[in-house]
Amino acid sequence: GENVEQHPSTLSVQEGDSAVIKCTYSDSASNYFPWYKQELGKGPQLIIDIRSNVGEKKDQRIAVTLNKTAKHFSLHITETQPEDSAVYFCADNAGGTSYGKLTFGQGTILTVHP
Amino acid sequence: NAGVTQTPKFRILKIGQSMTLQCTQDMNHNYMYWYRQDPGMGLKLIYYSVGAGITDKGEVPNGYNVSRSTTEDFPLRLELAAPSQTSVYFCASSYLGGNQPQHFGDGTRLSIL
Repeated sequence: GENVEQHPSTLSVQEGDSAVIKCTYSDSASNYFPWYKQELGKGPQLIIDIRSNVGEKKDQRIAVTLNKTAKHFSLHITETQPEDSAVYFCADNAGGTSYGKLTFGQGTILTVHP
Repeated sequence: NAGVTQTPKFRILKIGQSMTLQCTQDMNHNYMYWYRQDPGMGLKLIYYSVGAGITDKGEVPNGYNVSRSTTEDFPLRLELAAPSQTSVYFCASSYLGGNQPQHFGDGTRLSIL
């Protein structure tokens, strides 16, 4: 089955620094790559997503890049703030089917120190 | 707008008991999903539904059952609870599935002792 590897598992940065989280996937048919933020005791919340026909997407301080040849995609957060502290998950829609079955990475615990 | 609502938020079960985790959405989404999240891990798909009356297995369906009689509701049933089913369960919905965003509830934390 599909496998999504996410690194690093923990990331600690100073407020104002940038943070980068990377994921690799195995299924070349995957065509949708969302990123979710999960705060303690809450469900995952979509923060940005990218589809396979686009190489980069940006939304204010958050950007995602996709390299289909290498089968990896990355989340970039600039000017980090303490409220960015959370667990971040990458995912892909294994097989690129119309069902939206997501395979998730293992998660990255991001800590932003004031 | 409530979005995706899950009940209960917490539950403790004894081995062998059964229960139903409730999930309802008010966004008129066709696609609904059940995931489980074990400590320190990502989410794994249990079951999904592409519309009322249509369900299918995900990656980890053993020990679970689902039904989808209405667009709004997608309950998950545990028939014979086992310690391995101790987890946090998340329900999600999406309008079109495929490469469309999924909206998650806040989860049900289930412990089986």
